[in-house]
Amino acid sequence: DARVTQTPRHKVTEMGQEVTMRCQPILGHNTVFWYRQTMMQGLELLAYFRNRAPLDDSGMPKDRFSAEMPDATLATLKIQPSEPRDSAVYFCASGLVGGLGNSPLHFGNGTRLTVT
Amino acid sequence: GDSVTQMEGPVTLSEEAFLTINCTYTATGYPSLFWYVQYPGEGLQLLLKATKADDKGSNKGFEATYRKETTSFHLEKGSVQVSDSAVYFCALSDPVGSNDYKLSFGAGTTVTVRA
Repeated sequence: DARVTQTPRHKVTEMGQEVTMRCQPILGHNTVFWYRQTMMQGLELLAYFRNRAPLDDSGMPKDRFSAEMPDATLATLKIQPSEPRDSAVYFCASGLVGGLGNSPLHFGNGTRLTVT
Repeated sequence: GDSVTQMEGPVTLSEEAFLTINCTYTATGYPSLFWYVQYPGEGLQLLLKATKADDKGSNKGFEATYRKETTSFHLEKGSVQVSDSAVYFCALSDPVGSNDYKLSFGAGTTVTVRA
């Protein structure tokens, strides 16, 4: 059963440190999303890519966050420097867009980030 | 912009009770509508979807009907089980065939089913 893989599952770090989260989308999917989930804000779209090109990153704080897709099998989300308010669960999701219909989005199990 | 409003929780039910979670949306055009479910410690999973007015999505005993006249997509299940305890999210995206596919999610409704 194909699935989106995210690493690490949990990350605890100190304020000011760099954090890198990784995502392996499902093979063949052409669209990758990064979402952030918190109790206060719910699910927020941070950025998404189509065929590895960034389409929209307006939901992402540009001064400290960056998202990339070095190749079709890897998406990364970096925070530098991290702050306590970045503590959240970060989800990656992938899907196939185009043609007569879009596939459902498949979500990874998330990276739970705690910044102290 | 497009948005989804869903019933606030938490909702606590007894096993075999009837479940309804209300969801209404605001969108230009005719979005596709979804219900996702999130079990503890996991990512979201698609539960069901509907892509046009009067479509009924169904899965695992859950149903939701796309009502354009009331801009609603309420989730229902006739007899819940303990294993249905989860967080349920209503979501919308641009129409089928659109070149965009951003999902806008509601706030989520936590459902707890007691034995």
